[in-house]
Amino acid sequence: AQTVTQSQPEMSVQEAETVTLSCTYDTSESDYYLFWYKQPPSRQMILVIRQEAYKQQNATENRFSVNFQKAAKSFSLKISDSQLGDAAMYFCAYRRRVGNSGNTPLVFGKGTRLSVIA
Amino acid sequence: SAVISQKPSRDICQRGTSLTIQCQVDSQVTMMFWYRQQPGQSLTLIATANQGSEATYESGFVIDKFPISRPNLTFSTLTVSNMSPEDSSIYLCSVAGRLSGNTIYFGEGSWLTVV
Repeated sequence: AQTVTQSQPEMSVQEAETVTLSCTYDTSESDYYLFWYKQPPSRQMILVIRQEAYKQQNATENRFSVNFQKAAKSFSLKISDSQLGDAAMYFCAYRRRVGNSGNTPLVFGKGTRLSVIA
Repeated sequence: SAVISQKPSRDICQRGTSLTIQCQVDSQVTMMFWYRQQPGQSLTLIATANQGSEATYESGFVIDKFPISRPNLTFSTLTVSNMSPEDSSIYLCSVAGRLSGNTIYFGEGSWLTVV
């Protein structure tokens, strides 16, 4: 079974600074997706960034980027120029790929609570 | 992306009662996934619902406690039966994007408190 580990229960960052959230995973599959989701106090799960395992290039979305190390099974999230609105729970998630179907669920890590200090 | 509406958003329930959560999607999707998020915890998959067949439940979750219906490609319900305080959680419906099947999108969640 696949597992996702987030070893940092809580992190804090000064506004405008950079922070990196860690994630490791375990799988025997070679083709899969990795995600970071953000959950603010509103409870809504918001997709932050997505990485396909077959792509060597690290995904970026504005201030958010990942460091994907497939051999090490590591998938960290870097948030640059942190803003107060970035404060939330961040979940790393894994999804096995089966063709292009949407038929496999997400497996989540335990989450990292990020605080942003003004 | 997919737009997912969940009802109710929040409810306070009496011990021993049952509550049905509805999930409506704005496009046809093959699979719908139901997750539970207990207070301060991560998301745990309850079951996967495919239209026209019985839902597939994860270890620790049973149909008698969490019956699921999936009458068509845009709608599903999850019932939490004979509730106890341990069932107090956020329940989330999720689907894979129709045009982007590699990403899963979530409804707003249903926050149930059992007293």
